[in-house]
Amino acid sequence: EPEVTQTPSHQVTQMGQEVILRCVPISNHLYFYWYRQILGQKVEFLVSFYNNEISEKSEIFDDQFSVERPDGSNFTLKIRSTKLEDSAMYFCASSEQGLSGDTQYFGPGTRLTVL
Amino acid sequence: AQSVTQPDIHITVSEGASLELRCNYSYGATPYLFWYVQSPGQGLQLLLKYFSGDTLVQGIKGFEAEFKRSQSSFNLRKPSVHWSDAAEYFCAVGRSNDYKLSFGAGTTVTVRA
Repeated sequence: EPEVTQTPSHQVTQMGQEVILRCVPISNHLYFYWYRQILGQKVEFLVSFYNNEISEKSEIFDDQFSVERPDGSNFTLKIRSTKLEDSAMYFCASSEQGLSGDTQYFGPGTRLTVL
Repeated sequence: AQSVTQPDIHITVSEGASLELRCNYSYGATPYLFWYVQSPGQGLQLLLKYFSGDTLVQGIKGFEAEFKRSQSSFNLRKPSVHWSDAAEYFCAVGRSNDYKLSFGAGTTVTVRA
């Protein structure tokens, strides 16, 4: 069964450094998402992406965040200057169609630790 | 804005016993409703979803959920729990006009022998 993959599984970085989290969505899916889960808190939506554009973003997704689909298979989340509060599990998801009525398939997550 | 409440943070159940996890949502129209499960080190796996039609939905791994509009609930049930069902369970809600899912805080299920 096709699945969403994410690398790395764990990333440790120093505050102020840039990080790039990588995701390979399911191959025939057209809509891509990032969510995060701070330890002990809810899974929160960050951004959705379709046709090389952001289709929706949350208040969390400020100027320090960016997303990109650099090639036909990868989908990345960049955090330009990490803060301690960016420490969280970051989940990538993809869906065949857009809007939340379609099933979003999630990857295993990348645990980001900012020191 | 929609919101999701999972009242139970942690449930312990004996193997073979029944399980019910509660989920309440707040949303004006008929929502899209999902249950996901997360095992340690794994991603979020979809158990089942409700969009419309029959209010009793069957999912994978023997789970089912019932949509009750009058109670704004979408409770997840399993008649007989297996040790492998120990995991964290998330209820999520979507709307027809946006892309995001809103998640509940999750319920951790522990299965004792």
